[in-house]
Amino acid sequence: DAKTTQPNSMESNEEEPVHLPCNHSTISGTDYIHWYRQLPSQGPEYVIHGLTSNVNNRMASLAIAEDRKSSTLILHRATLRDAAVYYCIRRYGGSQGNLIFGKGTKLSVKP
Amino acid sequence: NAGVTQTPKFQVLKTGQSMTLQCAQDMNHEYMSWYRQDPGMGLRLIHYSVGAGITDQGEVPNGYNVSRSTTEDFPLRLLSAAPSQTSVYFCASGDYEQYFGPGTRLTVT
Repeated sequence: DAKTTQPNSMESNEEEPVHLPCNHSTISGTDYIHWYRQLPSQGPEYVIHGLTSNVNNRMASLAIAEDRKSSTLILHRATLRDAAVYYCIRRYGGSQGNLIFGKGTKLSVKP
Repeated sequence: NAGVTQTPKFQVLKTGQSMTLQCAQDMNHEYMSWYRQDPGMGLRLIHYSVGAGITDQGEVPNGYNVSRSTTEDFPLRLLSAAPSQTSVYFCASGDYEQYFGPGTRLTVT
């Protein structure tokens, strides 16, 4: 039971921002929100994670709702290389917790 | 720094054969895990380890065995291969950020 809900697919145009939503309405106070992505024929790749506050790194931004029941991964300028399956994951237990993957959102980027 | 390495990259087995998928990491991570990914699906957790000598079952452990005698290595053993175990297998290690290996594509005929 992945316990997160994501759209099956989304489309974006190259060089435009992308907002990937995730619903985790049953999240508990100690669950971190992690995002990974998987490019075709590769293993998953870490994107970003957060607990309560919004987070930024070189790849993306993570906006977490105040009630923590949803979050949004923001890619500021999509490139063709960003076409991948994006997984939103609740992770209980901090750095020793398991990642339980759902089906993710398949992002297509049009030139 | 090689990260997470997996061998072999490809393997074909006959039903009933056994084999070991190797996974090694050089980042001194305590946490390591094994996943399988079937076509069009997300990854499912098979087994995981939080340190040498400590392993536990994930979502789909049946038919697989693991041990962790060193921090670096976390092999996955298929005891008696079945066609249902045809899949891509990923090993991962890390703490807050998990690093995944390139995968082993296993076909069981």
